[in-house]
Amino acid sequence: NAGVTQTPKFQVLKTGQSMTLQCAQDMNHEYMSWYRQDPGMGLRLIHYSVGAGITDQGEVPNGYNVSRSTTEDFPLRLLSAAPSQTSVYFCASSYSGRDPEAFFGQGTRLTVV
Amino acid sequence: AQSVTQLGSHVSVSEGALVLLRCNYSSSVPPYLFWYVQYPNQGLQLLLKYTTGATLVKGINGFEAEFKKSETSFHLTKPSAHMSDAAEYFCAVSGTDSSYKLIFGSGTRLLVRP
Repeated sequence: NAGVTQTPKFQVLKTGQSMTLQCAQDMNHEYMSWYRQDPGMGLRLIHYSVGAGITDQGEVPNGYNVSRSTTEDFPLRLLSAAPSQTSVYFCASSYSGRDPEAFFGQGTRLTVV
Repeated sequence: AQSVTQLGSHVSVSEGALVLLRCNYSSSVPPYLFWYVQYPNQGLQLLLKYTTGATLVKGINGFEAEFKKSETSFHLTKPSAHMSDAAEYFCAVSGTDSSYKLIFGSGTRLLVRP
């Protein structure tokens, strides 16, 4: 049972480039979310989805897009990378909104130069 | 809006000493409270969670936390620290809106001295 799988684990981008961070879960969870982790700031919610075809913004959505075409996948797109987006990104999934215990992927460490 | 405060960005204890990591949430009572642990270069792993019922919650690796509504607290404790407990610990609460999003504290890094 793989749980939540994120790819890539590491990425270096140049300012202005775009990329997609991949996230897949095999637990049939309804709820998926993306967080960014910065030193001293904990985890901040970027976008989340309560089911296939439904997404919404979190605390820090600017510069990121998401879509949820299947239950399993929830990719995060950086439209035009900026140095301020240098961070560690975590994808998480939960069984449902009524049981929000989150299962996390291993993270993607992104550096924008 | 719900918020979480973790007092102390770094806590240092000796091996075998009591571990106490503090977490306070804003006054609206959250439906769920969590403690997660993050080891270096890894994702977050659930230590324990409070939903309903008994206010003292036991988790993995000998950790426990007590939900105190009157103090709006959910402090994490362990009677005797082990070197392997060195990690970063995050308190999280669920939002009070229908989305049940998780709101995280800023984290506390636990250092264990031999």
